[in-house]
Amino acid sequence: GAGVSQTPSNKVTEKGKYVELRCDPISGHTALYWYRQSLGQGPEFLIYFQGTGAADDSGLPNDRFFAVRPEGSVSTLKIQRTERGDSAVYLCASSSQGASEAFFGQGTRLTVV
Amino acid sequence: AQSVAQPEDQVNVAEGNPLTVKCTYSVSGNPYLFWYVQYPNRGLQFLLKYITGDNLVKGSYGFEAEFNKSQTSFHLKKPSALVSDSALYFCAVRDVSGGYNKLIFGAGTRLAVHP
Repeated sequence: GAGVSQTPSNKVTEKGKYVELRCDPISGHTALYWYRQSLGQGPEFLIYFQGTGAADDSGLPNDRFFAVRPEGSVSTLKIQRTERGDSAVYLCASSSQGASEAFFGQGTRLTVV
Repeated sequence: AQSVAQPEDQVNVAEGNPLTVKCTYSVSGNPYLFWYVQYPNRGLQFLLKYITGDNLVKGSYGFEAEFNKSQTSFHLKKPSALVSDSALYFCAVRDVSGGYNKLIFGAGTRLAVHP
């Protein structure tokens, strides 16, 4: 595809509900990243996939957060029992093997009410 | 610990004047440094990077950045600002531990270019 695509662009959910955020990376990019950007802050790393496997999930804040990439392309970030503090823009990025820069999607703005 | 600091929350500049957005970093070893720009309701767009080589790096939309090892800085510059440059700018350094694009971002600097 032309760029990294994230859906939905906006998601409003009630506290305690489960949400899934989708990322479709640039075609052929083996590396995929999830970041979270809270209001007034820079993005913070959540998780990195190389192919299908999560090579680094050190940024996931707790076990309510989980991400998968079963076929090495599309990734889904899953948040269980959402809390108001989870409200943020969730950004996905991808890069090709060995590349030094990553390309970001437009983000999903999650609001937990 | 690795970190990036953007000391200015906002930078104001008149159209046509030169602009500088400041960034300092703290990292062990040789840094990989990046600038990204974020327009309202849009994702981050890559502007430029420094990996090695010439300390002056040229990027998209007429932007450039100067790597200064002794001052641990990587300031973003443009000789003549445009109103359309108004946006949020993020400096980032790559985490050296993994060898992949795990980025540590600064808090961002809002650039406002006035006509």
